Amino acid sequence: RKEVEQDPGPFNVPEGATVAFNCTYSNSASQSFFWYRQDCRKEPKLLMSVYSSGNEDGRFTAQLNRASQYISLLIRDSKLSDSATYLCVVSLYGGATNKLIFGTGTLLAVQP
Amino acid sequence: DTAVSQTPKYLVTQMGNDKSIKCEQNLGHDTMYWYKQDSKKFLKIMFSYNNKELIINETVPNRFSPKSPDKAHLNLHINSLELGDSAVYFCASSQDSVYQAGNTGELFFGEGSRLTVL
Repeated sequence: RKEVEQDPGPFNVPEGATVAFNCTYSNSASQSFFWYRQDCRKEPKLLMSVYSSGNEDGRFTAQLNRASQYISLLIRDSKLSDSATYLCVVSLYGGATNKLIFGTGTLLAVQP
Repeated sequence: DTAVSQTPKYLVTQMGNDKSIKCEQNLGHDTMYWYKQDSKKFLKIMFSYNNKELIINETVPNRFSPKSPDKAHLNLHINSLELGDSAVYFCASSQDSVYQAGNTGELFFGEGSRLTVL
């Protein structure tokens, strides 16, 4: 079983739609959680951290369910510029190391 | 100013050759990483250095040898290149390797070096 699993998509949605991505992780000792965004042929960039209480940043809402080891990202009012791959990322701390484990990503294509 | 820069951006070479990718960060971070992203877009950590000391060494063939001359630089040398080494190699840095209050765990990536082995 992969450490971080995501539906690869693609998710094809019209502009203005609401879309949700899910992610599950296997290691219950995981400490921190993030969503990264990667545009085509570009480097990944941090989109937002995910907190236990859930958090929102504009049109983006992230949720964490530690009991189910499940993370979600909701995008409201999709824009063409939201088209990208969304990577679910889990952090493991062990001694002096901070290892970020990346999921394989979910591809979003927002259509005009 | 580019925060994390890596060179070259593109590298095409023959099997069996030896090549190097260089990485530099000007963010003052203590920790640097090499990640490999294969054709299926899976981003997997290879190595991590904290203040020039190797702290993460995943299961990577010993043909891959990282070198960190100082905490702002982390280079990757690959010997005897194989077809399966074709991928995009991303360098990254973070503020610290150990979780502390205020450490977001954010990685800052370079633009990637696309290696094609023929």
